[in-house]
Amino acid sequence: QQPVQSPQAVILREGEDAVINCSSSKALYSVHWYRQKHGEAPVFLMILLKGGEQKGHEKISASFNEKKQQSSLYLTASQLSYSGTYFCGSPVFTNTGNQFYFGTGTSLTVIP
Amino acid sequence: DAGVTQSPTHLIKTRGQQVTLRCSPKSGHDTVSWYQQALGQGPQFIFQYYEEEERQRGNFPDRFSGHQFPNYSSELNVNALLLGDSALYLCASSLAGDYPLSYEQYFGPGTRLTVT
Repeated sequence: QQPVQSPQAVILREGEDAVINCSSSKALYSVHWYRQKHGEAPVFLMILLKGGEQKGHEKISASFNEKKQQSSLYLTASQLSYSGTYFCGSPVFTNTGNQFYFGTGTSLTVIP
Repeated sequence: DAGVTQSPTHLIKTRGQQVTLRCSPKSGHDTVSWYQQALGQGPQFIFQYYEEEERQRGNFPDRFSGHQFPNYSSELNVNALLLGDSALYLCASSLAGDYPLSYEQYFGPGTRLTVT
């Protein structure tokens, strides 16, 4: 049920770009992206809804392929402040109940 | 605009004891979700409260229970604590919307629970 993210970890130099992928075995009705810095709470980055609606920070971009049950987060011109663990997440609706699942996480480190 | 607040920040309990954690949602939000995050892992969904009722529940035993008050604040109660309950407990607030769990969530700083 838990979405799988790739890569598990990535190291970037300032200014480089990165793509983080999120794949689910279940139908995705919406995809959320969060960033969590060490010792802090997750921070909302973006939500993508079926039909193409997106809501999030201006400097963050993402895609959502409903048919492939995948989403990707695009980080461009990375800054040191981008370092942290990125999680995708999605609600899963079943006849026994609904839950929210976070993905396996991607650790991103930006170095000078 | 006050964000999500949680109390206490840290807590140490003994195995078998009971604990209550508290959460106040972001202004304007009416839904509260609770998550457990073990060290090095992603948050695991415990349950969600809306209109003072548990609306959604994850794969957690009945030892985990909650409550939501008319002012939308919430409590998480854990009975008969086990060593494995040691974790960061996160509260997240959101709007209910037409589709449960489909609105962005704003997280509080968490409560670090240690069970000895």
